[in-house]
Amino acid sequence: EAGVTQFPSHSVIEKGQTVTLRCDPISGHDNLYWYRRVMGKEIKFLLHFVKESKQDESGMPNNRFLAERTGGTYSTLKVQPAELEDSGVYFCASSQRTGGGNEQYFGPGTRLTVT
Amino acid sequence: AQSVTQPDIHITVSEGASLELRCNYSYGATPYLFWYVQSPGQGLQLLLKYFSGDTLVQGIKGFEAEFKRSQSSFNLRKPSVHWSDAAEYFCAVGPWSNDYKLSFGAGTTVTVRA
Repeated sequence: EAGVTQFPSHSVIEKGQTVTLRCDPISGHDNLYWYRRVMGKEIKFLLHFVKESKQDESGMPNNRFLAERTGGTYSTLKVQPAELEDSGVYFCASSQRTGGGNEQYFGPGTRLTVT
Repeated sequence: AQSVTQPDIHITVSEGASLELRCNYSYGATPYLFWYVQSPGQGLQLLLKYFSGDTLVQGIKGFEAEFKRSQSSFNLRKPSVHWSDAAEYFCAVGPWSNDYKLSFGAGTTVTVRA
């Protein structure tokens, strides 16, 4: 069974540019999550999809971030325009069940550097 | 609000020695607790999890963790460390009830010396 995949693995962009990150969850997983780790800090939740619907987007930093999940399969996270403080590692995770104790499977992350 | 504290930012241990990583949490009535590991260049991998029942949980790669409700702790242990255990370790709490998001600690980096 293929795991969660993310593309690209690294991205270096200039301030003001746009970047789109992609996540492919494990096949059959309805739940998809985005997290972010800014340098040296905690991994923080960004948002949660159940199929194509946004269940919780309370962690999205501001309206420069837009997440979509077309058809309930893969998801994209767009940052437009990127700022220096957006640099970090963006993780995607998926899970089969919702509710207490569900196991989330993480991808390798996308390292975003904004210069 | 939930929170997770990993007091040790960095630990150095000799190969073959024992390892203990500390984790304290602040959460609601029934915490769901996890330890993840991230090796260099890899994604987060689940080591073990605690939902209920036996408070001593066995995980992969020879790791175990003990849930202590009275101390709000979920410390990770390994009796004998291997060089391949050098990685960053994250303690996490949740999801609980209708709240699906995981809350992570800041991580502990483990260096293994020969």
